Amino acid sequence: DSGVTQTPKHLITATGQRVTLRCSPRSGDLSVYWYQQSLDQGLQFLIQYYNGEERAKGNILERFSAQQFPDLHSELNLSSLELGDSALYFCASSVGGGRSYEQYFGPGTRLTVT
Amino acid sequence: GQSLEQPSEVTAVEGAIVQINCTYQTSGFYGLSWYQQHDGGAPTFLSYNALDGLEETGRFSSFLSRSDSYGYLLLQELQMKDSASYFCAVREGGANNLFFGTGTRLTVIP
Repeated sequence: DSGVTQTPKHLITATGQRVTLRCSPRSGDLSVYWYQQSLDQGLQFLIQYYNGEERAKGNILERFSAQQFPDLHSELNLSSLELGDSALYFCASSVGGGRSYEQYFGPGTRLTVT
Repeated sequence: GQSLEQPSEVTAVEGAIVQINCTYQTSGFYGLSWYQQHDGGAPTFLSYNALDGLEETGRFSSFLSRSDSYGYLLLQELQMKDSASYFCAVREGGANNLFFGTGTRLTVIP
């Protein structure tokens, strides 16, 4: 158990809908990262927050947005969903940006868009 | 930009030694991390190399050559439970995130 929690574990929704994925980092970690992993694909970095502020952006679509709250939990919002958005979404945390090489991953949320 | 190359699949025999290579191209480089992911599971951190040389952690070792933009993960005394995907990831200079390779699926056979 990494100490990172993600909810929900599974999500099935229809095209065009909007969903919110939630992540709570390990106790003491200030950085949160979001990744997308499609079938048999690597981990695509989406976005990083540090202590409530956005710090880095990867290949995140404009339909996707995220935020980190004062209690350090983070939410990833996916809107106008398309079939191609079906994937495993991971949240990870680290102590800080300087320790980004050592990230602790949550169990993931499997999103299925039908 | 950045790119990472790893073999897509490797098969090895239980009890043997296997090496998973990773070559990278980045505009800046801080270090190379390795992660393990079992099917259906989350990636877990294995090791990190910022300087040239070998880092050993139990049965796993990781090596880095900055001049060759190359690293590898060495797994010794392979066990069936080592069957998993292994990802190398680079931390770029000035960035606070990791860029992951596409992973190497290791299959350990009896």
